[in-house]
Amino acid sequence: DGGITQSPKYLFRKEGQNVTLSCEQNLNHDAMYWYRQDPGQGLRLIYYSQIVNDFQKGDIAEGYSVSREKKESFPLTVTSAQKNPTAFYLCASSTQIGNTIYFGEGSWLTVV
Amino acid sequence: DAKTTQPPSMDCAEGRAANLPCNHSTISGNEYVYWYRQIHSQGPQYIIHGLKNNETNEMASLIITEDRKSSTLILPHATLRDTAVYYCIGEDMGRRALTFGSGTRLQVQP
Repeated sequence: DGGITQSPKYLFRKEGQNVTLSCEQNLNHDAMYWYRQDPGQGLRLIYYSQIVNDFQKGDIAEGYSVSREKKESFPLTVTSAQKNPTAFYLCASSTQIGNTIYFGEGSWLTVV
Repeated sequence: DAKTTQPPSMDCAEGRAANLPCNHSTISGNEYVYWYRQIHSQGPQYIIHGLKNNETNEMASLIITEDRKSSTLILPHATLRDTAVYYCIGEDMGRRALTFGSGTRLQVQP
């Protein structure tokens, strides 16, 4: 089946530790995105990538880093510099930037 | 980019049409309007999008006013499974990445 796979679904980390969330897509999409969602809130854009080896900051990029070494993969690292990392993280992709976005099932990150 | 305004919540009776409004008065001529919905703790699901003309698919209909300042998403026969948060989004042509607001929480009542 084609789709977007995020892993892990649930992740717990101690404060001060970096953590990397995985996002893989087999849709042959050029563009990929990371969003953050806090309880009861909408989605906020962290980073997006239009093509391999290229990415841009979204609205809340501070404390996060990404890489896009392969078309299929867009991992997100939540660094210790992120003040409030506990949230629901959503990865998405589209055929190209500006086209309809399709989402993965999300990853819950809890930092204790 | 087009800012959108939606009511925070709405109720609808099961089997009736659900009409979800959205204002996007700052939308420019070449920016699409997208609708997504999100069921609790899942990734948002694409519903429909449009530019000027009304659109219909197997999930819903999208009615866009002639001046493009507002639109309505119509679920013709709402079911309990349609209970979700519905997001109306104006495409950000500058960045070309969709920006989500807080959406409308639709509660379908039995």
